[in-house]
Amino acid sequence: DGGITQSPKYLFRKEGQNVTLSCEQNLNHDAMYWYRQDPGQGLRLIYYSQIVNDFQKGDIAEGYSVSREKKESFPLTVTSAQKNPTAFYLCASRATGEAYGYTFGSGTRLTVV
Amino acid sequence: AQRVTQPEKLLSVFKGAPVELKCNYSYSGSPELFWYVQYSRQRLQLLLRHISRESIKGFTADLNKGETSFHLKKPFAQEEDSAMYYCALRGSGAGSYQLTFGKGTKLSVIP
Repeated sequence: DGGITQSPKYLFRKEGQNVTLSCEQNLNHDAMYWYRQDPGQGLRLIYYSQIVNDFQKGDIAEGYSVSREKKESFPLTVTSAQKNPTAFYLCASRATGEAYGYTFGSGTRLTVV
Repeated sequence: AQRVTQPEKLLSVFKGAPVELKCNYSYSGSPELFWYVQYSRQRLQLLLRHISRESIKGFTADLNKGETSFHLKKPFAQEEDSAMYYCALRGSGAGSYQLTFGKGTKLSVIP
């Protein structure tokens, strides 16, 4: 069953700790994206990657880091430098040539305690 | 810079009433506009895109370049239409790799 999987669904982190959110897809999509979704703020782009071993900052990259060592995987690390990390994080992927065909994951809700 | 504005955070309508979710955009070139929907406990998914001029689940949206708008309309709202709706824009050229989303409008259909 093809799709995009985010794990875990819920994540709790203590202040000052880094945490990594997983995003895996078996759709053979080249491009992958991380968005942050806050109430009343819509979706804001954190990082994106168009090919393996390459990624670019989005609109709100500060306090986050990513890697793209494999086509299938695009993990997001929320570092202690992120001032307001509590949010809902969405991962998406897209096939080359299908600019509108974003497939979204089910999201990870991160709470800092 | 490209920007998408959805002026209403929340829109409540009665079942059977017409629905219009507003979307305005700012972009200097020729954009592609989309509507995405997120039902409760479900993933965000594409509802429709302007280039296909289609009607999905009774919803339509027309791109008005003069008014820079892409409002989503449905003549008769159903309870199952209750969801979060996001308007999105894809630019051309260097910015075409990403979608810019509006802040979303929560549609609540009252039975």
